[in-house]
Amino acid sequence: DVKVTQSSRYLVKRTGEKVFLECVQDMDHENMFWYRQDPGLGLRLIYFSYDVKMKEKGDIPEGYSVSREKKERFSLILESASTNQTSMYLCASSPPTWMGETQYFGPGTRLLVL
Amino acid sequence: AQSVSQHNHHVILSEAASLELGCNYSYGGTVNLFWYVQYPGQHLQLLLKYFSGDPLVKGIKGFEAEFIKSKFSFNLRKPSVQWSDTAEYFCAVSTTGTASKLTFGTGTRLQVTL
Repeated sequence: DVKVTQSSRYLVKRTGEKVFLECVQDMDHENMFWYRQDPGLGLRLIYFSYDVKMKEKGDIPEGYSVSREKKERFSLILESASTNQTSMYLCASSPPTWMGETQYFGPGTRLLVL
Repeated sequence: AQSVSQHNHHVILSEAASLELGCNYSYGGTVNLFWYVQYPGQHLQLLLKYFSGDPLVKGIKGFEAEFIKSKFSFNLRKPSVQWSDTAEYFCAVSTTGTASKLTFGTGTRLQVTL
């Protein structure tokens, strides 16, 4: 079974803090993704990566950055957390496109910014 | 850019009722289509997907979806729902050459009553 793990299930931070969300997958997948999930808005793509050290902006990258130093790990960074970044953050991974595009999701990190 | 619409935001059904959840996408080219499900407290997981071939796709737990290209639709169906189908359902689309990047709809919350 594919396993995608996220470092925290719940996180509480203060406005202005730097926040790191970590994601690790164990299936040697090339592609990794960060989404945020908000009620009534569904999942929105923040950033994705199709290879080590490669990153692409998604639909809502403002206020976020990412890092992918190793194939299995994809980090989401909130440089200066704000209250409007309170959300559920989901990480996903997928194999190369030619192998099918199913994304496998982690359990999510619920972030509260006070 | 592609977009996905799910017009049913909240659906309440009694057990054994039939289910149809609407999904429409906007994109002029070739698409891959997905339905994901998120049961309460669980990871987002793949329900079914369409890449090519037979437009009627069968997934897990008795769900199926039909791709109607002329209507840009990929509606999810189940003939008889169970209480355990209570969950949030997301339709998603990807397009060729986008490194498995998915665009999600806003989701439909299904509540099945006994």
